[in-house]
Amino acid sequence: GENVEQHPSTLSVQEGDSAVIKCTYSDSASNYFPWYKQELGKRPQLIIDIRSNVGEKKDQRIAVTLNKTAKHFSLHITETQPEDSAVYFCAVSVGSQGNLIFGKGTKLSVKP
Amino acid sequence: EAQVTQNPRYLITVTGKKLTVTCSQNMNHEYMSWYRQDPGLGLRQIYYSMNVEVTDKGDVPEGYKVSRKEKRNFPLILESPSPNQTSLYFCASSLSMGGSREYFGPGTRLTVT
Repeated sequence: GENVEQHPSTLSVQEGDSAVIKCTYSDSASNYFPWYKQELGKRPQLIIDIRSNVGEKKDQRIAVTLNKTAKHFSLHITETQPEDSAVYFCAVSVGSQGNLIFGKGTKLSVKP
Repeated sequence: EAQVTQNPRYLITVTGKKLTVTCSQNMNHEYMSWYRQDPGLGLRQIYYSMNVEVTDKGDVPEGYKVSRKEKRNFPLILESPSPNQTSLYFCASSLSMGGSREYFGPGTRLTVT
């Protein structure tokens, strides 16, 4: 079955720096790759996603890049702010259906 | 207001006593999904539904059942709960699977003793 590895498990950056979180997957048929942010004590929220026919997608300070050949995708946050501190999860669709497999999460801390 | 509601929000129960966690959305979404969240394991999908009467297993379906008799509701049923089902459960919905905003419910914290 699909296996999703997420690195690093924890990441600490200074405010204003960039942060990058990477996920690798095993199923070459996967075609949907969302990223979720979960602040402490709150519900997850989908922050950005990408489909396999696109290599990069941006939304203000957040971007996701996908390398289908190497089977990895990354979340990039630029100009980090303290409110970016949260746990971030990547996920991968299994085939083209609604089944999602998640990475184990990255705890991002942005120090003022 | 667009929202996903879950009930109950907190529940402590005993092993073997059947329970249902309800999930309801008011956005006419086709896709609904249940997740559990455990420390160190992150989020794991239990079941999902692409539309009414269409449900399928996620990553960890054992010990759970779901139904989708109407578009707005997607209850999670634990026929015989066990302590390893102690977890934080989230329901979510979106217009379609992938590419549209996904709304999460507030979560249900379940403890099985």
